[in-house]
Amino acid sequence: QVQLVQSGAEVKKPGASVKISCKTFGYKFTDNYLFWVRQAPGQGPEWMGLINPDAGVTTSVAKFQGRVTMTRDTSTNTIFMEMRSLRPEDTAVYYCGRVTFDFSSGYIFDYWGQGTLVTVSA
Amino acid sequence: QPVLTQPPSASASLGASVTLTCTLNSGYSSYKVDWYQVTPGKGPRFVMRVGTGGVVGAKGDGIPDRFSVSGSGLHRYLTINNLEEEDESDFYCGSDYGSGNNLLGVFGGGTKLTVL
Repeated sequence: QVQLVQSGAEVKKPGASVKISCKTFGYKFTDNYLFWVRQAPGQGPEWMGLINPDAGVTTSVAKFQGRVTMTRDTSTNTIFMEMRSLRPEDTAVYYCGRVTFDFSSGYIFDYWGQGTLVTVSA
Repeated sequence: QPVLTQPPSASASLGASVTLTCTLNSGYSSYKVDWYQVTPGKGPRFVMRVGTGGVVGAKGDGIPDRFSVSGSGLHRYLTINNLEEEDESDFYCGSDYGSGNNLLGVFGGGTKLTVL
């Protein structure tokens, strides 16, 4: 049974950093890309970036480049997302998710973590 | 890139049917869209993918037969029949573009479904 389990809620002050983990279960870790999405209060989900757990290659949208680092640990089947220089507008629920590809359906974001609430407040 | 628009709210009575709508921006009528259900404390749950020809591929794990999809032009629909209390949640549509390491996702603003 595929599961993605994220670390717990965080409260940070502006200017601080946060590192969220996403531990995967139930499939071969290196077979599927994983992604990060965030959802601010009252808004739709916002794509942040993608990691290839096999090669460790990451891509992120321009908005987060230089402030977000995505990494993985193949020994624990876990990915991490670190965000620096936090601002109040970074307050959101952060989700990790898995990508599955097949030639008939294309890319599917088929399993997601439960979300991690990050609150940035002075 | 595709832009997805959803009405912010929808409601229907217990046991009735409801259809949720996701609209793509002009020029993206060939795009497939995925539906996700989000309940408090849980991450998004993949429901199914839809194109203009209807469902694409398999439904998400445990999605009941009461859920169906259809598509026409720029619109993609999720219909839920015989509404149950547990269906009350937020529903988002999403799509992907790019491929491989350059894959990106886009999502609508979500529709809050209330079961009366």
